[in-house]
Amino acid sequence: NAGVMQNPRHLVRRRGQEARLRCSPMKGHSHVYWYRQLPEEGLKFMVYLQKENIIDESGMPKERFSAEFPKEGPSILRIQQVVRGDSAAYFCASSPPRGGGNQPQHFGDGTRLSIL
Amino acid sequence: RKEVEQDPGPFNVPEGATVAFNCTYSNSASQSFFWYRQDCRKEPKLLMSVYSSGNEDGRFTAQLNRASQYISLLIRDSKLSDSATYLCVVTSGGYQKVTFGTGTKLQVIP
Repeated sequence: NAGVMQNPRHLVRRRGQEARLRCSPMKGHSHVYWYRQLPEEGLKFMVYLQKENIIDESGMPKERFSAEFPKEGPSILRIQQVVRGDSAAYFCASSPPRGGGNQPQHFGDGTRLSIL
Repeated sequence: RKEVEQDPGPFNVPEGATVAFNCTYSNSASQSFFWYRQDCRKEPKLLMSVYSSGNEDGRFTAQLNRASQYISLLIRDSKLSDSATYLCVVTSGGYQKVTFGTGTKLQVIP
């Protein structure tokens, strides 16, 4: 099954540490989206990337958060100096190169980030 | 006004009932529309795309009304397994920005 792969599934960090979340899109997909979901809340768009390009980062907090999708390897969502409020489920989705957002997105299982 | 709006519910319906959800969107130039379902603490999964002519998949029917800028999802003969949150998704803009609604929670009761 070559679905969207996210790892780790669960990540625990102490306040002030760094968190790195990885996402490998479905085979043949070159569009990656990151979302955050707080408990009992809806999905919040964070960032949309294509290979080596950030297309839309309007949902990313201005500080401590960054994302990349290098030519080789998975997409990385990086959170520096984590705080308790960063605790959430982070979902990655991918879609094919043609049609962009007009194609349905396929989601990974998510990474549950817990900050102690 | 939010880009995509949904009634959060919850909708509590008995097994076998028919239930309908609406979703409104603000951008008249929106291009693509989808319904996803999300089970508790799981990832969203595509339920169906929504086409202008309307489309049906088993017990599920989706409709698009461009004039009034809303899409709907109808579920017939509800099953316990239909209990989930249903997310409306709208795509718009030059690079097809994808916007998720906050979801409508459905609870099917025995």
